Amino acid sequence: GAVVSQHPSRVICKSGTSVKIECRSLDFQATTMFWYRQFPKQSLMLMATSNEGSKATYEQGVEKDKFLINHASLTLSTLTVTSAHPEDSSFYICSARDQGVSTDTQYFGPGTRLTVL
Amino acid sequence: DAKTTQPTSMDCAEGRAANLPCNHSTISGNEYVYWYRQIHSQGPQYIIHGLKNNETNEMASLIITEDRKSSTLILPHATLRDTAVYYCIVRWDTDKLIFGTGTRLQVFP
Repeated sequence: GAVVSQHPSRVICKSGTSVKIECRSLDFQATTMFWYRQFPKQSLMLMATSNEGSKATYEQGVEKDKFLINHASLTLSTLTVTSAHPEDSSFYICSARDQGVSTDTQYFGPGTRLTVL
Repeated sequence: DAKTTQPTSMDCAEGRAANLPCNHSTISGNEYVYWYRQIHSQGPQYIIHGLKNNETNEMASLIITEDRKSSTLILPHATLRDTAVYYCIVRWDTDKLIFGTGTRLQVFP
C-alpha cells in the first residue's frame, strides 16, 4: 500500500507552547488529508479534513484556532497545536486519500504522540 | 450515514482462520465497506474494501452478503502478528472515515 509518514513520532512540550506535526504522502499526491486524535483505550476521532489549497473543514467541537491546519502542497499537511495544555496530550494520526484511476483509499501515518507537561 | 456493529472482542488460535463479522444494516447503495486494523500504538493499516462483490488480496478476504447488510473479514491463517483492533467502516459523505470501537482480535499460540 501507499506510504504516509509523520514527523515527529513523539514530542514532549511545556504547557503554553505550540507544536507542529507534519504529515507527508510519500508516493502519491493527496488533495485531501485528514487529522485524527486518539485518547488511550479509545477509538480514533476525526478532527478535520485538510484540502490542498483551501481552508480545512473542522468537525463539530474541534477549535479551529487551536488546531491550525495547513495543506500547502499535494504531499504535505501540517497540524499545529497552539498554546498546548496537558489535556491536549494525545496520539495524533493523519491519513491521506489516494485517488488514483482505479483506487480511492485512505492510508494512515504512524502517528505522533504528544505529551504536554 | 450508515453505522457498523462489531463484536467487542474475539479470540483465534494461531494458524486458524479468523472470521470477523460486521453488521451495517443501514448501508446505502453507493457506500463502500472498508476494513482497517490498528496494532497497539501505531496508525491504522488498510486491509481491504468492497462494494458488493467479494474481494480478496494478499492480506485477507472480504465477504459481503447479497443484501449488503453485513460482511465478514477473513484472515485465512492468523498469526500472532495479526493481534490488533479491527475496524469495519462504511464510508459516508464523500471521503470521511468514521471509526467505531472495532473488534479486538487476540491470536493465541
